[in-house]
Amino acid sequence: DTGVSQDPRHKITKRGQNVTFRCDPISEHNRLYWYRQTLGQGPEFLTYFQNEAQLEKSRLLSDRFSAERPKGSFSTLEIQRTEQGDSAMYLCASSSFRSRQGEYGYTFGSGTRLTVV
Amino acid sequence: GDSVTQMEGPVTLSEEAFLTINCTYTATGYPSLFWYVQYPGEGLQLLLKATKADDKGSNKGFEATYRKETTSFHLEKGSVQVSDSAVYFCALSRSNTGKLIFGQGTTLQVKP
Repeated sequence: DTGVSQDPRHKITKRGQNVTFRCDPISEHNRLYWYRQTLGQGPEFLTYFQNEAQLEKSRLLSDRFSAERPKGSFSTLEIQRTEQGDSAMYLCASSSFRSRQGEYGYTFGSGTRLTVV
Repeated sequence: GDSVTQMEGPVTLSEEAFLTINCTYTATGYPSLFWYVQYPGEGLQLLLKATKADDKGSNKGFEATYRKETTSFHLEKGSVQVSDSAVYFCALSRSNTGKLIFGQGTTLQVKP
């Protein structure tokens, strides 16, 4: 198992463009989480999926953001009409629902760093 | 709502010094508590955890005790090394959703 993979590692885009990030979780994990981390801050929760169902979305997730997890495997996070304030590291994590939080813990990906110019 | 507050950094120590990074939380009930570490250029890694009051989490010489009465989970290490230089995040979680709520992070720099 290669862990949680995120693609791309870095993305530079012009303001107003759309971007899409991909996350491939650990195959046996049925929960998948997205977080956003800005410079000097801790990660902030955006949304999470159990299998293909999106169970919670943060108020941080404006209507320009959309996340999907078709077939309960990989997930995509799309940002439409990007703004400079969207510049951040976007982290994905997966966990197993059947395991108590902490026994397996999360596995985080290395993140996608978005820069909006 | 739930929240986590960490001491502000950066914290600069000499090698073999004693480390304490304070963390307090606000939450109803009994969340699980965690310390994560982020080394330069790397992703977040779980350092240690505690799931109930008075539990002590430990790993790699680091320790933290879940104190319900003071709503704290302070990170300690008796003798830091240069290789411990990193950003440390305190976090809490509820088992029903599993989402993590992080503090703002504390940068530790250990000098030889």
